[in-house]
Amino acid sequence: DTAVSQTPKYLVTQMGNDKSIKCEQNLGHDTMYWYKQDSKKFLKIMFSYNNKELIINETVPNRFSPKSPDKAHLNLHINSLELGDSAVYFCASSQAGQGYEKLFFGSGTQLSVL
Amino acid sequence: SQELEQSPQSLIVQEGKNLTINCTSSKTLYGLYWYKQKYGEGLIFLMMLQKGGEEKSHEKITAKLDEKKQQSSLHITASQPSHAGIYLCGADSGAGTALIFGKGTTLSVSS
Repeated sequence: DTAVSQTPKYLVTQMGNDKSIKCEQNLGHDTMYWYKQDSKKFLKIMFSYNNKELIINETVPNRFSPKSPDKAHLNLHINSLELGDSAVYFCASSQAGQGYEKLFFGSGTQLSVL
Repeated sequence: SQELEQSPQSLIVQEGKNLTINCTSSKTLYGLYWYKQKYGEGLIFLMMLQKGGEEKSHEKITAKLDEKKQQSSLHITASQPSHAGIYLCGADSGAGTALIFGKGTTLSVSS
């Protein structure tokens, strides 16, 4: 069983479209994250949710909206996609207080905006 | 805000050679984490260092944190093709928020 699963793995779309990436974790963790990795492999935190509540919202355009229907899911919706949104998006989860050595990552979603 | 600088940005070594990757923080580190990323996959946790002067080893990989807790190094002995990937250092800023990462070091090992 995959601990943190993201779908889809690849997403190719046109500029201006709206798309969603889904993330689910089966580890019973209470905190989930979205990271963005650019073409230079720089991994940057976007959002963090703890028990379905937003606790980190880095400088990310309003076109990005995370949604956490329950503790096991954190989806990322992107409106009006732009060329600069092309990147690999990683979902991750951890349990508050247990340290980041127990931070588990999904395998990433490669988003290509044409 | 805290920043992590990694060097070198990329590295190509011959199989069997030793190598070192460095990570420097703009602030004192409360916890320093090393992760490895293989192409097309997520990050895998390698090691975590918290105390100044701490050193940890796992198989052929050794990580160290300096006494001032602002610099860490990752040393691989007798590199193998299986060591190839992107190595990222991550820092816990201490605010209980999220890990921030350096820009990664891409390692290629030629046989």
